Amino acid sequence: RKEVEQDPGPFNVPEGATVAFNCTYSNSASQSFFWYRQDCRKEPKLLMSVYSSGNEDGRFTAQLNRASQYISLLIRDSKLSDSATYLCVVNMPASGTYKYIFGTGTRLKVLA
Amino acid sequence: GAVVSQHPSRVICKSGTSVKIECRSLDFQATTMFWYRQFPKQSLMLMATSNEGSKATYEQGVEKDKFLINHASLTLSTLTVTSAHPEDSSFYICSAIDAYEQYFGPGTRLTVT
Repeated sequence: RKEVEQDPGPFNVPEGATVAFNCTYSNSASQSFFWYRQDCRKEPKLLMSVYSSGNEDGRFTAQLNRASQYISLLIRDSKLSDSATYLCVVNMPASGTYKYIFGTGTRLKVLA
Repeated sequence: GAVVSQHPSRVICKSGTSVKIECRSLDFQATTMFWYRQFPKQSLMLMATSNEGSKATYEQGVEKDKFLINHASLTLSTLTVTSAHPEDSSFYICSAIDAYEQYFGPGTRLTVT
C-alpha cells in the first residue's frame, strides 16, 4: 500500500461545479497535512494546510479525518483557472526526523 | 513567503557525464532540504532528505552513490547525478522548510542524451 494515495482522475467538471478530492494516508503517526496545486511543468504551490477542525479559504475547504486517515479538498464554484493537478502531502515521522510524502495527484479540468 | 532557487533550470548532458544541481534558500536558513524527482504525468517522489552538516537520508530504492547530496551550509544543498543515463532524465525539485511550511524551488529539467 502506498503511503499516500489519491484518485488520479482526471476530473472533468463544468464551470461553477463543486468538486471534491480525497486522499488517504497509511501512517497513523502523521503529523501535518497539506494540499498543493501544480500547474503543468511548474513546481508545486501550497494551496492550504489542513487542520483537524477543518479550514476554509474562499472557495476551498479542507478537512482531516484522523480516525479514517484521510483528508479532503472541496472546491466550490469551479473556475477555469482551477484546472491543475492537486497534490495532497503528508508529513510523517521517519527515523527520528520527518519527511513529506506526496500523493499521486488528482488532475482537475474545469470546462467552459 | 520564503524563496528557494535552483540552478540550472534546464540541463542537457550526454550519457555517462555527471550533473550538479544547486538548491538555495535565499532569505532563510534551512537545516533540512528535500530532493524530489518527478517523471512525466507522475507525482513527486521523495529521493532523499538533505541535512546540513551530516549525511543525507535516502529513500528506499534511491542509489546514494549515484545521487550524491551535499548540504554544506544552511542555505545550500547540491544534488549530483553521477554517470547519468537517459533513464535519469526527469524533473528534479528541491524544497526547504521555513516556519513549518515547505517551499519549493522552480525545478531543474534534466535531459540525458
